[in-house]
Amino acid sequence: EVQLVESGGGLVRPGGSLKVSCAASGFTLSSHWMSWVRQAPGKGLEWVANINQDGSQKNYVDSVKGRFTISRDNAKSSLYLQMNSLRAEDTAVYYCVRENRPFDYWGQGTLVTVSS
Amino acid sequence: DIVMTQSPLYLLVTPGEPASISCRSSQSLLQSNGYNYLDWYLQKPGQSPQLLIYLGSNRASGVPDRFSGSGSGTDFTLKISRVEAEDLGVYYCMRVLQTPITFGQGTRLEIK
Repeated sequence: EVQLVESGGGLVRPGGSLKVSCAASGFTLSSHWMSWVRQAPGKGLEWVANINQDGSQKNYVDSVKGRFTISRDNAKSSLYLQMNSLRAEDTAVYYCVRENRPFDYWGQGTLVTVSS
Repeated sequence: DIVMTQSPLYLLVTPGEPASISCRSSQSLLQSNGYNYLDWYLQKPGQSPQLLIYLGSNRASGVPDRFSGSGSGTDFTLKISRVEAEDLGVYYCMRVLQTPITFGQGTRLEIK
């Protein structure tokens, strides 16, 4: 059974940093592009970033470029999102998503709250 | 960036009645291979989004056949032939072929 389990969310002050993780199981992580999608409270879905199978290609939405870094460790079956210079508008549930053209599996999400 | 526009943003439907959601893209999603790179997702209350339809008209595994997707190019439609109580939630269209990947604003479906 495919499972994606996010962790690492929490409360962080504006300007701070946080790293969220996603543990993948039930499939071979190294065979798939992976994405992070976020959802601000009461709002819609926003794609944040994705990464190819070996980590050599990374793409970001403009609003996080230069602040967020997506990475992966296929040996550990894990996906990461390092978030720096956090802003109040980054407050959201962050979902880890498997890309199988389409997005076929989503994690349950981890909440990141940016507030003083 | 390609903008995805859904309508309506809210639907109130009686069980057993049909429902239809429109999604328009600011650029054509039809590729030279004949596929439309448009997917539909449903986010039920308190849950993560789940895939309903991919490549415009293909039902994902386990999705009831009362759900159907149609359209091509810039105009797409998700139809539910007979709404059931379990269909409540927010429906999103999404385009993915080039980044940034973008979603529609979402259509909230409620049951009368």
